[in-house]
Amino acid sequence: KQEVTQIPAALSVPEGENLVLNCSFTDSAIYNLQWFRQDPGKGLTSLLLIQSSQREQTSGRLNASLDKSSGRSTLYIAASQPGDSATYLCAVGIPFSSGSARQLTFGSGTQLTVLP
Amino acid sequence: GAGVSQSPSNKVTEKGKDVELRCDPISGHTALYWYRQSLGQGLEFLIYFQGNSAPDKSGLPSDRFSAERTGGSVSTLTIQRTQQEDSAVYLCASRKQGQGANTIYFGEGSWLTVV
Repeated sequence: KQEVTQIPAALSVPEGENLVLNCSFTDSAIYNLQWFRQDPGKGLTSLLLIQSSQREQTSGRLNASLDKSSGRSTLYIAASQPGDSATYLCAVGIPFSSGSARQLTFGSGTQLTVLP
Repeated sequence: GAGVSQSPSNKVTEKGKDVELRCDPISGHTALYWYRQSLGQGLEFLIYFQGNSAPDKSGLPSDRFSAERTGGSVSTLTIQRTQQEDSAVYLCASRKQGQGANTIYFGEGSWLTVV
């Protein structure tokens, strides 16, 4: 059974700092990995999607990496801003051939606070 | 609509009552998911619909929970005889099936409080 772990559970940094959020998963047979942002009282917003054949994806100040063999992904946020404060969730996609239609398994998230 | 739409956004109900939560996926998206997120917890998969295939109901926590998707579009999640532990935000998501179409889009959720 795929398990996804995110460390740390909470992180507080001063504005302007670069930071890294970590995600690990137990089964390397994934289809893709997706990072989401969740603001309080809101749904999830997709940030970056990395296919299993890719090593990284970039969008603006965000860079996500994927190392399937070690079961790890990182989300790098450059020059953090107070508006980046949210919970960040990573989710792994299970291959269709697994027989399970349950495509995404989520970690429990990292709650990020960027202090002005 | 432009995104996944869920209603109601907030629902307070008395223990023992039935509730229905609605999800309107993005037009053209054939895959639809329901997840549940309890306070301070990660997302818990409930049920998955894909086109005309039989849904994957393996995540439903009890037989009080059921869901249907009519006409391959709108989905309704029904919770019968609600219990306090059902209090959570219920998130619906949809995805366009097909090669290269893997991004999943979430609605803003239906916040359920059972008192």
